[in-house]
Amino acid sequence: QVQLVESGGGVVQPGRSMRLSCTTSRFVFSSYVMHWVRQAPGKGLEWVADISSDGGKTNYADSVRGRFIISRDNSKNTVYLQMNSLRAGDTAMYFCTREQGIALVGTAYFDYWGQGTQVTVSS
Amino acid sequence: QSVLTQPPSVSAAPGQRVTISCSGRSSNIGNNYVSWYQQLPGTAPRLLIYDNDRRPSGIPDRFSGSKSGASATLAITGLQTGDEAQYYCGTSDNSLGAWVFGGGTKVTVL
Repeated sequence: QVQLVESGGGVVQPGRSMRLSCTTSRFVFSSYVMHWVRQAPGKGLEWVADISSDGGKTNYADSVRGRFIISRDNSKNTVYLQMNSLRAGDTAMYFCTREQGIALVGTAYFDYWGQGTQVTVSS
Repeated sequence: QSVLTQPPSVSAAPGQRVTISCSGRSSNIGNNYVSWYQQLPGTAPRLLIYDNDRRPSGIPDRFSGSKSGASATLAITGLQTGDEAQYYCGTSDNSLGAWVFGGGTKVTVL
C-alpha cells in the first residue's frame, strides 16, 4: 500500500523557519507530482504548493509565495517544504499528497494523503 | 472565502439521500475535472470521487458525482452514521494557476 509520512512539525516562533519532510514508499516516487496541502484549526483545506516529478517546476499559493520552498530528493523518495518567515496564520496541519491523473488536461486529483504534521506558530 | 462554494452543512436521517453542491466558474470547474474528498474527524482527507463521477476502488456506489457547466454535485444515498464527515470538492484553476478547494460541507446523520 502506498505510504506518505510527514514529519518535522512542531511549535515555532513567528519569523523563524521550519522544514517539513514527507517520506514516501511503495510507489515510483520519481514519476509523480507531489503537493502540500494545509488545514488551519477548524478550517477547510488550502493548497500550498506543488512540484513536478523531476523537481524542475514548482507552483505556490499566493499566501506562501516568496516564503515557502518546495523541493524533492528522488533518491530518497522524499518531498520537503521549507517554511521561512513564519506567521501565526501559517498555523495548520500540513498534509503531503500525491497527484494522479494529468494536470495539463485537467484530470488531476489527489489519490493518496499522509496523516499530516502539525505546525504551530506562536511566541 | 473559498474559490469554490459549498453549503456549510447538510443533514438527513439514516437511509436517506443527501446532495452537496460545489459551485465554481469557467476557469476552474467549467474547464477541469472535479474530485471529492471525505474527511472523517481527526483524520486525513480521503479521495471519494475523481474525474467528476468516477469512484476509486473500495468506495461504495452509494457515493456518486456529477458535473454540469461550472457546478458539481456529490450525492450520498442510503446515508449511514459512518458517513458523518466533512466533504470537500477540488479542482485546478487555470486563471490562478493553482489548486482550489471548496470550503467544505459537514454531513450530519440525524
